[in-house]
Amino acid sequence: GAVVSQHPSRVICKSGTSVKIECRSLDFQATTMFWYRQFPKQSLMLMATSNEGSKATYEQGVEKDKFLINHASLTLSTLTVTSAHPEDSSFYICSAPGQGGPYEQYFGPGTRLTVT
Amino acid sequence: EDKVVQSPLSLVVHEGDTVTLNCSYEVTNFRSLLWYKQEKKAPTFLFMLTSSGIEKKSGRLSSILDKKELFSILNITATQTGDSAVYLCAYSGNTGKLIFGQGTTLQVKP
Repeated sequence: GAVVSQHPSRVICKSGTSVKIECRSLDFQATTMFWYRQFPKQSLMLMATSNEGSKATYEQGVEKDKFLINHASLTLSTLTVTSAHPEDSSFYICSAPGQGGPYEQYFGPGTRLTVT
Repeated sequence: EDKVVQSPLSLVVHEGDTVTLNCSYEVTNFRSLLWYKQEKKAPTFLFMLTSSGIEKKSGRLSSILDKKELFSILNITATQTGDSAVYLCAYSGNTGKLIFGQGTTLQVKP
């Protein structure tokens, strides 16, 4: 099946710094990728839709200047958390639609971000 | 606003029990409903349902969709401790993005 990787798997950073998370589709091309955030004991919340070659589409309540998304190629999307604060600590997961169409999603393994 | 609601939020059973997890939805442009199992990392895909009344089955797990009443159930028979996880229900509309319910945390005790 299709594989999506994320890097890093875990990151600890200090308040005020920026952190970049990469999401790659390893064996297929993805013109669209999705970024989700999951707080402990909560469900996945869609943050934004990453579109190759154009601007990301952000969900209501998600600050686009804080969560910068760049979809530079057909296999790579990056999420940069700028000026991170402890409340940004969360599990960030990306996904990409598979070969079967947009209703088939392949998830990356997630990135655990801890902001101290 | 599109909404997916799961119940119960948590459940504790013993090995061998049968469980039924519920997912109701109020959405526009419904295309499919998906079930995932999440353990420590990212969710793993279980089922995708698009048509009413057709049961999907995989081993001890099965799921069915009722598009008239806007809900789906996930059944797990003869539960095992390895079934302990968070089960997520999500709907997918025209854009392909997924809107998740709150999840049901299932704990299966030996």
